[in-house]
Amino acid sequence: ETGVTQTPRHLVMGMTNKKSLKCEQHLGHNAMYWYKQSAKKPLELMFVYSLEERVENNSVPSRFSPECPNSSHLFLHLHTLQPEDSALYLCASSQDKRYTGELFFGEGSRLTVL
Amino acid sequence: GENVEQHPSTLSVQEGDSAVIKCTYSDSASNYFPWYKQELGKRPQLIIDIRSNVGEKKDQRIAVTLNKTAKHFSLHITETQPEDSAVYFCARGTGGAGSYQLTFGKGTKLSVIP
Repeated sequence: ETGVTQTPRHLVMGMTNKKSLKCEQHLGHNAMYWYKQSAKKPLELMFVYSLEERVENNSVPSRFSPECPNSSHLFLHLHTLQPEDSALYLCASSQDKRYTGELFFGEGSRLTVL
Repeated sequence: GENVEQHPSTLSVQEGDSAVIKCTYSDSASNYFPWYKQELGKRPQLIIDIRSNVGEKKDQRIAVTLNKTAKHFSLHITETQPEDSAVYFCARGTGGAGSYQLTFGKGTKLSVIP
């Protein structure tokens, strides 16, 4: 596989469930990101990892917990979510953490919280 | 980061006509302005970007113009084709310590009518 792949593509969970989103990049990039995409709202940056170190956390609720075990893999652990957390969660990677680098996105994980 | 206002939110054009999408920003330190295209059900992809030392940049049927004085930048698509139908997002970035993120607009849904 090439590029950025995300699993699962679709996820339905109850408010008391615990689930995880997975992202994998095969581009040799050093930075990885989680973005939240909601209808009629701008893309919201959630977390940034550079060389496996978290360098940005945009005041995201603690019910979202990221994990970056190595530069190719990124997880978003979900627990006790709210219905308003329903959205498309996009993973992205870039060569490095510089803001001028092209972002390579995955196709997203569509999350529905019941 | 500072907000980016993007207009219009939806745009319909006849095939062959031109389309223009405009974004305004308030942070005068902004110096990087990319545009991403997201086709239905697909991932966002970078289509063109411009830096603040340049007023215009072209790539075949796509061009971006930047007016730093007025703090706005625009995407121009000429000779539109049905495959141009997508949601287009503008974004801005600022240099400096800790500037890892882009601020995105809300997106413009472009429909090209055959």
